[in-house]
Amino acid sequence: GAGVSQSPSNKVTEKGKDVELRCDPISGHTALYWYRQSLGQGLEFLIYFQGNSAPDKSGLPSDRFSAERTGGSVSTLTIQRTQQEDSAVYLCASSSTSGRYNEQFFGPGTRLTVL
Amino acid sequence: DAKTTQPPSMDCAEGRAANLPCNHSTISGNEYVYWYRQIHSQGPQYIIHGLKNNETNEMASLIITEDRKSSTLILPHATLRDTAVYYCIVKASGGFKTIFGAGTRLFVKA
Repeated sequence: GAGVSQSPSNKVTEKGKDVELRCDPISGHTALYWYRQSLGQGLEFLIYFQGNSAPDKSGLPSDRFSAERTGGSVSTLTIQRTQQEDSAVYLCASSSTSGRYNEQFFGPGTRLTVL
Repeated sequence: DAKTTQPPSMDCAEGRAANLPCNHSTISGNEYVYWYRQIHSQGPQYIIHGLKNNETNEMASLIITEDRKSSTLILPHATLRDTAVYYCIVKASGGFKTIFGAGTRLFVKA
């Protein structure tokens, strides 16, 4: 079946503009995660959604960052008033909770460049 | 979740076994050891996980010490395509928040 998809694959924006990044998880996966990866760095956890539970937003770096997940499927990560330090690859992952192990399947990422 | 410690980089000759260590001395009884890898410009990919027994699948083997404070991921016959960053993670069964460290950058050389 289809894997996790993300759009756009690349986004170039000007400082101060708002951007929206989209993630389509694997069908039936109830958990969805967002990570950020700056150039040459490891993955930084941002937020996860699990079913109808309140999302864990503990990794969001500032109040300019927000995310929502509509209908338990598609998720959008929004960055308001973008700054140059927001430039990074934003990765989305999803996992099924039908098993115990919660293996995460990652999308290809969105490369965000803030000029 | 427990923290993990990995060497920043390792080299391996093509065709030889690659042994990637990970220390997780504060692991709790209900926490599993997971390994993911990230090939350049791609999202991370799950490799294997284990609780206390050694595990093997088509990609790799995972050896966990008896005290569970460390583990080793073994790629039995490394190829150039195995060049990647390898992340060792500990996470409770059923847990969701996942903290990826810096990982080990493995270079497989011809």
